[in-house]
Formats: sequence, C-alpha cells, structure tokens
Amino acid sequence: EDQVTQSPEALRLQEGESSSLNCSYTVSGLRGLFWYRQDPGKGPEFLFTLYSAGEEKEKERLKATLTKKESFLHITAPKPEDSATYLCAVQQSGGSYIPTFGRGTSLIVHP
Amino acid sequence: DAGITQSPRYKITETGRQVTLMCHQTWSHSYMFWYRQDLGHGLRLIYYSAAADITDKGEVPDGYVVSRSKTENFPLTLESATRSQTSVYFCASGAGNTEAFFGQGTRLTVV
Repeated sequence: EDQVTQSPEALRLQEGESSSLNCSYTVSGLRGLFWYRQDPGKGPEFLFTLYSAGEEKEKERLKATLTKKESFLHITAPKPEDSATYLCAVQQSGGSYIPTFGRGTSLIVHP
Repeated sequence: DAGITQSPRYKITETGRQVTLMCHQTWSHSYMFWYRQDLGHGLRLIYYSAAADITDKGEVPDGYVVSRSKTENFPLTLESATRSQTSVYFCASGAGNTEAFFGQGTRLTVV
C-alpha cells in the first residue's frame, strides 16, 4: 500500500488555465511534506516544505497547501515553462528522516 | 562547486560486472540517500545513511552495497550487475528534518 499517492498521473493544460495537483498521504504522523519539480534528464529540484495543517507556501505561480491528509499544489495561470513532473514526498514522525515519494504528476502546459 | 554531484552521468556495463556509482556532497549533511527511478515506480529508496559509518537498507536493497567512510561521500556498488538494475540512480543529501537535495542522476544501462 502506497503511503503517498499523487493525482492525476498526467495533466495537460492550456497556457493560463489554472489547476491543482493532489498529494494524499497515509503516514500516521507527519514530520514534513515536500514538493519537488523534476525536468526530463535532471534530478528533482526542491520547491516547498510544509510542516503543519493549514500551512501555505508560495513561489511565483505555485502555491502549496497542507491539510491533515493531503496537500495541493495550485498552479495559477501556468506557462509552458511550468511543464515538468511534480513530485511529493513525506517524512514520517518518529524514526529516521527518510523522504518517501509519490509517483509524481506529469504536467504539460500548451502555449 | 557547492552542492551534490554524481558520477558518472552515464554508464553502460555488462551483466555480471561490478560497477560503482559515486556521490559527493559539500554541505556536510548528515543524511545521504540512494534512490532508483523507473517508469511506473517513481523514486524508490535503495539505501540511506544517517552519518558516517552508519548505513541502512531501504525498500529495494538487494544486489547493492554502500559504504560511508566520510561524511561527504556515499558510493553505491552493484556487485554483479543484472539487466533489472538498468535504471536512473539519484543520490540525495539532507540535514535530517528538512528537505533533501538531489544530484543530477546517473543513467545506468546493463546489457
């Protein structure tokens, strides 16, 4: 059973068409939730860390939010350069600091 | 250069050969991780290390060996490469209860 589930698997948007990506998690206690962006042929690039329900972080057209069971990555008025795979990872409280990743959402933004 | 670097970027090896992937970080992060990324599976943890001389298995450790004699280095060795180990390998490092930072990856092909 996956601890981190991302949806949708793939998303196609027109430039300017806002949308949200979802990351749901089933760990018993959350230490932190991380969002990354990954471009083809490159390593994941860190975007945000969220620690507690109600927390929000913003960067340019991206806004990440966190509830007790899921996180959303909102993309406002996306541009073609926002096309990438977005990965979500969680750290479970107690024990070692291991990030467990979801399978990602592949986003394509058409001009 | 500051950051985390992996070498080589690309490697082709034959079945049964031993191959070592290198990872070096300049931040003095205590935690280091090795993941493999395959279509349909996302990022899966192979091994991790909480400090020099402390390593532990992740989700998919079979066929791999790691060591960490110095904080900054975390090599991954495939003792006898198999075709199922064809993948993209990512090394990451982090301070613990914060985000991890990834290298650019090593694309390994076993023929």
